[in-house]
Amino acid sequence: DVKVTQSSRYLVKRTGEKVFLECVQDMDHENMFWYRQDPGLGLRLIYFSYDVKMKEKGDIPEGYSVSREKKERFSLILESASTNQTSMYLCASSYTGKGITEAFFGQGTRLTVV
Amino acid sequence: AQRVTQPEKLLSVFKGAPVELKCNYSYSGSPELFWYVQYSRQRLQLLLRHISRESIKGFTADLNKGETSFHLKKPFAQEEDSAMYYCALKTGANNLFFGTGTRLTVIP
Repeated sequence: DVKVTQSSRYLVKRTGEKVFLECVQDMDHENMFWYRQDPGLGLRLIYFSYDVKMKEKGDIPEGYSVSREKKERFSLILESASTNQTSMYLCASSYTGKGITEAFFGQGTRLTVV
Repeated sequence: AQRVTQPEKLLSVFKGAPVELKCNYSYSGSPELFWYVQYSRQRLQLLLRHISRESIKGFTADLNKGETSFHLKKPFAQEEDSAMYYCALKTGANNLFFGTGTRLTVIP
């Protein structure tokens, strides 16, 4: 079974705090993603990584950064959390291979910034 | 950029009725399209992909390049089909973009 594990299910942080969301996958996937999921807005891509230390901005990278020091781990960092970053955050991973492109998702982290 | 459009946020149908969830995409390259589903209190998971041309849980989706559409269909809806459905587009760079989702409710 492919496992994508997010370190926290629920988080409550204060405005201005630095927040780390961690994601680990155990299938040796090259690609990893961070999305935020908001009602009516669907899944919006924050950042994408296709290899260790490689990253690309998604549609809404402002206020976020990422780190991929090891293949299995992809961290999302909120440098200074704000209330408009209250959301459900989803991590996903996928394999780079012709015809094998299913993305596997973590259980999500519901972040509340107060 | 709006790459994937799902025009219906909510869709309700009666059990046994046909279902069609709409998806249109915008992409200049050769598209790879998927439908993902999220059942209540479960992870988002792949339902089907256009490359496979498969039927999963009675659902099918045909890629229409002329209309840039990838609508999801099922002839007879079941209560267990109630879920959130997302259409997704994979670009050549292995990036994966999702639409805004459609919440399907099947009424008993």
